[in-house]
This record gives sequence, structure tokens and C-alpha cells, in this order.
Amino acid sequence: GAGVSQSPSNKVTEKGKDVELRCDPISGHTALYWYRQSLGQGLEFLIYFQGNSAPDKSGLPSDRFSAERTGGSVSTLTIQRTQQEDSAVYLCASSQEPGTGNEKLFFGSGTQLSVL
Amino acid sequence: AQSVTQLGSHVSVSEGALVLLRCNYSSSVPPYLFWYVQYPNQGLQLLLKYTTGATLVKGINGFEAEFKKSETSFHLTKPSAHMSDAAEYFCAVSVGSNDYKLSFGAGTTVTVRA
Repeated sequence: GAGVSQSPSNKVTEKGKDVELRCDPISGHTALYWYRQSLGQGLEFLIYFQGNSAPDKSGLPSDRFSAERTGGSVSTLTIQRTQQEDSAVYLCASSQEPGTGNEKLFFGSGTQLSVL
Repeated sequence: AQSVTQLGSHVSVSEGALVLLRCNYSSSVPPYLFWYVQYPNQGLQLLLKYTTGATLVKGINGFEAEFKKSETSFHLTKPSAHMSDAAEYFCAVSVGSNDYKLSFGAGTTVTVRA
């Protein structure tokens, strides 16, 4: 597609359930990022994938959060045993390979997660 | 660690008036600074960024920002607001050439009055 695609756009779940959020980056972009935007807060970095390198998971808030990127393209962010404080907009972004001068991030429209 | 503070969560301006969005940062090393914009029902887009060199940076849609090291600021301005400028604006800071570990401000929502 022309841009970064995220699904679902909205997700309502019950506390304790697991959820999966999907991101389709722009074709040809080797770098993929996940951010979280909580109400009234700035965006918070979660995880970064670059090519075949080990992902930078330093932003994941707890071990309930994990992400994978299959085939260097689509990524899935999984939140296990969701808590109410996980409610936020989860944003995915992609970019061309960093260090090439083309590090501009392109963001998807996000997934609004609501944990009841 | 670096951080960003945006002054004012909401700004209302008249069409044709100056738009001024304030951003102050803290960073222990020379920062890379960014402004992103999010229009309704769209993803974030890069407006402009400062890395090195000229401290006045021009971006898309007539916006510009000036890096002032002495004031640790990177305020965003546009001389004449247009209705299409209504959006949420985020200031961000990073360290190094890879901007993925951005620290974002809480955002400023701009409304434009006719």
C-alpha cells in the first residue's frame, strides 16, 4: 500500500485478555517502530526493528508486551493479560534504512486499544 | 536522557494570525529536534527537523522553527494561520542520527477560527 497500515483501528477488550495489533509497513522500508500514546501524554517508544538485526526492546514497559516482525515486513505487537493502564493508541511507523539520510518516519493511523 | 515540554495543550488562533507553538527540550548532548503534525484521522507526519547547521529550519506548509541552544527551545511558527492548519502538533527530541528513539512532548492541539 501507499502508507503504513494498522489493524484493527479500534480494539475493545476485557482486562486479562490477550490482544494482537498488526502493522503493515511501507514496502521497501527496512525499519519498523512501535510507539504508544496514552491520553494526555506524548508518544512513548516501545520497540524498533531494523532488517535482520536483533530488535531494540528497551521501551517495552513490561514482559507482558512482545513484538515480532515476520519476513522483514509485517509486525505484530502482542499484549498479554491486558490491564486498564494499557489503554492507549498504539502507533506503528516505518522508515528507510537509518544512516542513509532517509530516516524520516512514516506513521500509521494507530490502533485505539481500550481495556475495560 | 532527553525530554520535551510543550507549553499549552490547546492553542486557538484566528485565520491569518501568527501561529506560535512552544517547545523546550532537555538533553545532555546536542539534540536532534523534530516537529510532527497529526491531522484529524491521519497518521503523524514530519513537519521539519533540526540536526546540525542553520538554526532556522523551514518545513512543509509554511511552518518554520528556530533552534535556540541558549534557551533550549525549538518553537514552531507560521506567520499566517490557515483553516487547514487545525491539527495536533508534537515536538520531539532524539540523540544521534537515528531518530527512532524519539522522546515526544504531550502535543498541542491547534484550532483555527474563521
